[in-house]
Amino acid sequence: SAVISQKPSRDICQRGTSLTIQCQVDSQVTMMFWYRQQPGQSLTLIATANQGSEATYESGFVIDKFPISRPNLTFSTLTVSNMSPEDSSIYLCSVVRGAEETQYFGPGTRLLVL
Amino acid sequence: QKEVEQNSGPLSVPEGAIASLNCTYSDRGSQSFFWYRQYSGKSPELIMFIYSNGDKEDGRFTAQLNKASQYVSLLIRDSQPSDSATYLCAVVLSSARQLTFGSGTQLTVLP
Repeated sequence: SAVISQKPSRDICQRGTSLTIQCQVDSQVTMMFWYRQQPGQSLTLIATANQGSEATYESGFVIDKFPISRPNLTFSTLTVSNMSPEDSSIYLCSVVRGAEETQYFGPGTRLLVL
Repeated sequence: QKEVEQNSGPLSVPEGAIASLNCTYSDRGSQSFFWYRQYSGKSPELIMFIYSNGDKEDGRFTAQLNKASQYVSLLIRDSQPSDSATYLCAVVLSSARQLTFGSGTQLTVLP
């Protein structure tokens, strides 16, 4: 498995502001992803965080709204920009580990936008 | 058609019974299949993965894969109240390396 930490664990933010979420892994990983889970919904992939290059975004997600950094193989940040109440969700980072390429999730960041 | 489909439930079973959770997928080229358990307010926790047709057992859990029918299931034997959670089926599609999730099935095990 993998030890993954996220900061902050939760936050309450005002409309129009931005929040940066950090994800730290206990050892180097190649694949790192950011997901969103809206209330009562399943997980939706936002983007793949690529080390040394721009993130790869899924349909419906854009860099201006969700800028991502991946400065090294153990750390990534996701920023939720110009927030609105619709951005209220759990944001999860995830890494791939092992020969079977199994995917493990961090504890999540619970965001409420007022 | 959704890429990964699950019955949303809720599914209720009595304690000690077998809980059967089902998942179908649309991409015939998919090769990797995963089951995650998510307790309310927590992040998903990997239970099992399966790559080959047939059954894979791990303790009280058995994953079953039928690629011809594009069907994967999870059986939980001797269900316990602590198994009450949402179970997420996830598939690595042939065109990607990341997981695509189903909507999840909410399971309640009644004491």
